[in-house]
This record gives sequence, structure tokens and C-alpha cells, in this order.
Amino acid sequence: GAGVSQTPSNKVTEKGKYVELRCDPISGHTALYWYRQSLGQGPEFLIYFQGTGAADDSGLPNDRFFAVRPEGSVSTLKIQRTERGDSAVYLCASSQTQLAGVADTQYFGPGTRLTVL
Amino acid sequence: KQEVTQIPAALSVPEGENLVLNCSFTDSAIYNLQWFRQDPGKGLTSLLLIQSSQREQTSGRLNASLDKSSGRSTLYIAASQPGDSATYLCAVGDSSYKLIFGSGTRLLVRP
Repeated sequence: GAGVSQTPSNKVTEKGKYVELRCDPISGHTALYWYRQSLGQGPEFLIYFQGTGAADDSGLPNDRFFAVRPEGSVSTLKIQRTERGDSAVYLCASSQTQLAGVADTQYFGPGTRLTVL
Repeated sequence: KQEVTQIPAALSVPEGENLVLNCSFTDSAIYNLQWFRQDPGKGLTSLLLIQSSQREQTSGRLNASLDKSSGRSTLYIAASQPGDSATYLCAVGDSSYKLIFGSGTRLLVRP
């Protein structure tokens, strides 16, 4: 079936603006993750959803960042009052239901490249 | 705090060579270790997942090993091809869901 999709693929915005980034996980995957990747670095964990609830949002850098997954499928990452330092590629991943203590393969989308001018 | 290091940062080899990419981590209490491939401007593709109870996984020309006690993993690529050129990322699962990534090794396989 289809993989993880993310829209838009590129987003250019001005400092101080609000942006929304969308992620469509693989159908049937209950776990969803957001990561952020800066140039030349590996992805950094932001938030993890199990179903509709954020099970771990410890990676969100500050309260300008917020993510939702109201129906347990599509997720939106929201960034308020964007700053130049928010410029990065935002990656979404999904996986099947997590069994206790056993991790499943995470499947990544192509990412959204955010540029804050 | 778990830290993941990948050496070398970049590697250039002629086609046909066997090669080894290295990954080290500071905390041996991991759930799993995963190797990914990333092509320029693209997302990550999972190559191999090793659960904490396992010591290696193989897929085609790829073999990944895990030594938790020494905090090391290696990705072995046999008979490298130009199509293997990409960035290879190692990620440690410090829980059943959270991955901690290294900065990657950029591989170039020259024809």
C-alpha cells in the first residue's frame, strides 16, 4: 500500500508566522512520530502518538510547537511565531501497534523542508 | 543521556569493495538498533532492525551486528555498487518507540 506522505514538501515562511505541517501515516498504523532534521545531522525526536494521544512530547523544543492527531490517523505539527532556527526538515514516521517492550520498524515519509526567512 | 556516534562521517570507495560502517552508543540499555538509508532530499528507508536480544540481522548484501556490552554496531555492505551511494544512519531505540540517531556516514561508491 501507500507509504507515509507529508505535505507540503517545501514551506517557506517569514519569521513570526504560523505554519502547519501535515502527515498521513500508513493505513492501520496506530503509532506516529515526528522528528526534526537539521543539515548534516541525524533526525531528532519531537513527539510520539499512540492512537489519538501524545504518549511522549518530551522532544518538542518549546511551547511554540504543538501536534495533534484527533482521529488517530492524520497528524498536524503546528509551529507558532516561527523563528529562523526552526528551519529544518520535519520528518514523520509511523509503525504498527507497539507490543509491550518490543519496537516495530518505523516507516518514514519524505519530510517537509521548512525555511523561515 | 544516550549519545550515538558514527564513524567515519564520509567514505568514498571504488565499486566492488566490501565495506564496514561503524556506530557506537554510550548507554548499553537499549531496546533495539536500526540502520537507515537516506538519499538526498528524501526520507529514511529502514534497512535492518536488530532487537536487543539479537546479535545480527542480514538482508541481501547487508549484514548488521550488535554488541550491546561494548556499545557498538557495524553495518557490513558486500560488493558495493554505485547505487549504494547515500547517507547511512544508525539509530538506537532507548525505549520501545524513541529513536536516537547518529549524524550518519555519507557513502560514495565510485564506478
